[in-house]
Amino acid sequence: ILNVEQSPQSLHVQEGDSTNFTCSFPSSNFYALHWYRWETAKSPEALFVMTLNGDEKKKGRISATLNTKEGYSYLYIKGSQPEDSATYLCAFNAGGYSTLTFGKGTMLLVSP
Amino acid sequence: GAVVSQHPSRVICKSGTSVKIECRSLDFQATTMFWYRQFPKQSLMLMATSNEGSKATYEQGVEKDKFLINHASLTLSTLTVTSAHPEDSSFYICSAKGLAGGPGYEQYFGPGTRLTVT
Repeated sequence: ILNVEQSPQSLHVQEGDSTNFTCSFPSSNFYALHWYRWETAKSPEALFVMTLNGDEKKKGRISATLNTKEGYSYLYIKGSQPEDSATYLCAFNAGGYSTLTFGKGTMLLVSP
Repeated sequence: GAVVSQHPSRVICKSGTSVKIECRSLDFQATTMFWYRQFPKQSLMLMATSNEGSKATYEQGVEKDKFLINHASLTLSTLTVTSAHPEDSSFYICSAKGLAGGPGYEQYFGPGTRLTVT
């Protein structure tokens, strides 16, 4: 059974704060690491797919890094805005398989 | 692009009845669709992988006779919860992967269906 852990479970920050959360995953048989953003009552939205050790990807104020050797990825949000409030999910792709193993997510609340 | 719809968004049914949930890829063709279930405060758990034109592959512990999956076209997969019981009450969500997508490609998710069995 693959174990994907996310921390913290929830986070409450003020508008303008920068924040980051962690996803840890098995370091063996790595293929890809996915980040999703999930707003209530909407579909999870794909943010990043990361495949290479040392990868760093950026979309606006959100960026992510990947360390496959030690099995973790960080998601950073710079200058959080209320519209960033959502649950952020990471999911692990083992080598050669299409199936994803998800963490429980980090619920972010950004107060104005 | 890459929109996936799911219907219904919410359903309440009586114990013993069957419920069908539809998952459609609206603007792309999906050879593979996935069905997940999420219990409160838990992660999305894969139930089955559905390939167009072939039988679904179920994860360990998921009863294939209870959760019937049909993927009859490249844009539609259905999940039928047969003889539903209160313990089947959960959030069911589907995702789809496009024709060109390999294992590392994004899955595009529907908005999910909240099933309550009374």
